[in-house]
Amino acid sequence: GENVEQHPSTLSVQEGDSAVIKCTYSDSASNYFPWYKQELGKRPQLIIDIRSNVGEKKDQRIAVTLNKTAKHFSLHITETQPEDSAVYFCAASPAGTYKYIFGTGTRLKVLA
Amino acid sequence: NAGVTQTPKFQVLKTGQSMTLQCAQDMNHEYMSWYRQDPGMGLRLIHYSVGAGITDQGEVPNGYNVSRSTTEDFPLRLLSAAPSQTSVYFCASSTPTSGRKEIQYFGPGTRLLVL
Repeated sequence: GENVEQHPSTLSVQEGDSAVIKCTYSDSASNYFPWYKQELGKRPQLIIDIRSNVGEKKDQRIAVTLNKTAKHFSLHITETQPEDSAVYFCAASPAGTYKYIFGTGTRLKVLA
Repeated sequence: NAGVTQTPKFQVLKTGQSMTLQCAQDMNHEYMSWYRQDPGMGLRLIHYSVGAGITDQGEVPNGYNVSRSTTEDFPLRLLSAAPSQTSVYFCASSTPTSGRKEIQYFGPGTRLLVL
């Protein structure tokens, strides 16, 4: 079955710097890759997603890139702000299923 | 719309006790899932359902049962609770649009402590 690895597990950046979180997946048939943000004590919420027919997607300060050949996808946050501090999860969903396999999460701390 | 709701918010059980975690959604979503969240292990899929009467196992199904008698409800049952089931449980729902996957909406979670 699908397996998703996520790195790093923790990341500290200065306010205004960029942050990059990387994930790899094992099932080449996966075709949907969402990213979720979870604030302390809250539920995960989708921040951006990408489908396998697209290489990059951007939404304001957040972007996601996908390399299908290497089975890598990454989350990029530019001009980080203290409110970006949270745990971020990547996920992959194999084609033909509605299963979502999550990475282990990255705790991002934005230092003011 | 209330979205995805879960009850209870917090529960303490003794080893061997049984209980049901409730999940309901009012968005007419076909797909519903249960996850458990443990420190350092992300969200792990327990069971999922693609519609009323249809369920399947996820990554960590042992010790849990589910059923889906209606589109709205997807309860998770612990038949004999064990300390290893101490976790935060999230229910989620989604629906496809034109055959494409759509985002999952998560419930607020249930924090379970098994002593």
